[in-house]
Amino acid sequence: AQSVAQPEDQVNVAEGNPLTVKCTYSVSGNPYLFWYVQYPNRGLQFLLKYITGDNLVKGSYGFEAEFNKSQTSFHLKKPSALVSDSALYFCAVRAQAGTALIFGKGTTLSVSS
Amino acid sequence: GAVVSQHPSRVICKSGTSVKIECRSLDFQATTMFWYRQFPKQSLMLMATSNEGSKATYEQGVEKDKFLINHASLTLSTLTVTSAHPEDSSFYICSARTPEAFFGQGTRLTVV
Repeated sequence: AQSVAQPEDQVNVAEGNPLTVKCTYSVSGNPYLFWYVQYPNRGLQFLLKYITGDNLVKGSYGFEAEFNKSQTSFHLKKPSALVSDSALYFCAVRAQAGTALIFGKGTTLSVSS
Repeated sequence: GAVVSQHPSRVICKSGTSVKIECRSLDFQATTMFWYRQFPKQSLMLMATSNEGSKATYEQGVEKDKFLINHASLTLSTLTVTSAHPEDSSFYICSARTPEAFFGQGTRLTVV
């Protein structure tokens, strides 16, 4: 069965510092990997995806993620955090096209000024 | 990106009544939509897959008679919570499109 793990409930960084939100996955076959951000009482906003191609994927709002097949990881990164990046971040995986996303438990990112 | 609209964003209902939540794809056709439920500070749990013109596929443990899903057109799926009880209070979110899913704004359901 496919699954996603986000080992950190919360990540705290200072504004201007780089941030990393971790994600590992388990899926048979080649994974479709995604990152989403959620603000309070709102739906999810798509940040970026990896389907195939370059392992480093660039997405919205300056975020990027690196697909590492050997470590089955897809960590979300940003070189310089903003206070406005503070939100709940979800990593998700899809085993094949057309199926539902399976989500990690989420990581709360808190960026302090 | 594609737009998915969900309505209402917030609803309060009395215990025993039914509530209908709509999910619309505004600028594309969606043969498949997904319904998720999210508890406070928790992840999204897939409830069911809504298929246009056919029966929904429910995840294990989800009561299909309580959570009625209808996908009558390529742009609209509805989730009806029947005979709602306080334990049904939650945040319900729909999504559509692949490979990346686009999500509705979510519906905060409170059953009193």
